Amino acid sequence: AQRVTQPEKLLSVFKGAPVELKCNYSYSGSPELFWYVQYSRQRLQLLLRHISRESIKGFTADLNKGETSFHLKKPFAQEEDSAMYYCALSLFSGGYNKLIFGAGTRLAVHP
Amino acid sequence: GAGVSQSPSNKVTEKGKDVELRCDPISGHTALYWYRQSLGQGLEFLIYFQGNSAPDKSGLPSDRFSAERTGGSVSTLTIQRTQQEDSAVYLCASSQLIRDNQHFGDGTRLSIL
Repeated sequence: AQRVTQPEKLLSVFKGAPVELKCNYSYSGSPELFWYVQYSRQRLQLLLRHISRESIKGFTADLNKGETSFHLKKPFAQEEDSAMYYCALSLFSGGYNKLIFGAGTRLAVHP
Repeated sequence: GAGVSQSPSNKVTEKGKDVELRCDPISGHTALYWYRQSLGQGLEFLIYFQGNSAPDKSGLPSDRFSAERTGGSVSTLTIQRTQQEDSAVYLCASSQLIRDNQHFGDGTRLSIL
């Protein structure tokens, strides 16, 4: 079965420290993965998708098919990065894009 | 520009009542999705619309849940005879094309007493 696992409910770091939010997936097909972010009192929004290979707000994520992982990384965390982060797997089958989400990790960046 | 709009933002109702949740997608977006977020859980897919048709209703938790979309625009998610386990945040998302990014609304927080 398709599944996305985010093992940490909360990740607490100090400003300037490196951050790695873990995401592992289970999918027999060719995965398409995303990171979504929800800042306080804002709606869920796309942060990045692996096929774009972009760096958004200093965040990057590399798909590792061998380890079935798509960890989100940032070398120096900022206080404004504090938010809820969701990893999602796209099941593009049957002609539509069904997203399977992990439970989310709350990132708290302290001054 | 206007994003995905959902109403009401909060709904408190008694167990056994019916509720109707509304989603107004971004104009021109043909694909519309409903998700549910229960406490401590990730987002759970409920149903997908392409235009007015729903090719995949597999995520609807029970036959008490139904959804429709009219005019290729507004969608309503109806929950009949609500139960306490229906308490959750119900999120709607839309995209212009199937593989485009999904834009989410603020959600409706449903509380069943």
